[in-house]
Amino acid sequence: SQKIEQNSEALNIQEGKTATLTCNYTNYSPAYLQWYRQDPGRGPVFLLLIRENEKEKRKERLKVTFDTTLKQSLFHITASQPADSATYLCALPGGSGNTGKLIFGQGTTLQVKP
Amino acid sequence: NAGVTQTPKFRILKIGQSMTLQCTQDMNHNYMYWYRQDPGMGLKLIYYSVGAGITDKGEVPNGYNVSRSTTEDFPLRLELAAPSQTSVYFCASSYPGGNRNTEAFFGQGTRLTVV
Repeated sequence: SQKIEQNSEALNIQEGKTATLTCNYTNYSPAYLQWYRQDPGRGPVFLLLIRENEKEKRKERLKVTFDTTLKQSLFHITASQPADSATYLCALPGGSGNTGKLIFGQGTTLQVKP
Repeated sequence: NAGVTQTPKFRILKIGQSMTLQCTQDMNHNYMYWYRQDPGMGLKLIYYSVGAGITDKGEVPNGYNVSRSTTEDFPLRLELAAPSQTSVYFCASSYPGGNRNTEAFFGQGTRLTVV
């Protein structure tokens, strides 16, 4: 069955450094991959979508890569700030057809220290 | 636009009670979803709908029911609450297909405790 793995250990980094989060998947060839941010007590908020024919995508200080051979996506936040502290979820389309269903990883919590 | 609105935000139920979690969206999205999130876990799909009058099961549908009589509303019903249904429930909507962005818009969540 389809499986998504994110590093369940929290990532602690110093302000100004680059945070790198990993999302691995198995038994799957997704057409796209998404990243969401979730703050405590809130719903996930969409950040970026990268399609299978795209190697890299950027949005301001965010960069996502998608390696379909390694079955892995890396999510980078450059010049990190304490306000970037949150849980980051990766998500892949679930099932066949274009229904918008998503399968989520368990999320990685990022803590940026000033 | 309010986006996706869920009510209530918090609820405590006794075992065997029933309740309906409300969800409404004002973005005219055809596609709506219910997910549950347990501590330290990813979101799991309970039910989804691709349009008014059409619903289908997700990964964890047991113990839940849904209906979709309008584009805007997608309520989730728990008939006989069990402790295993203690979770945070998220409603979401999207407009997948073609060149449209397939991002999902989530509500703020309903934190449900069954005792």
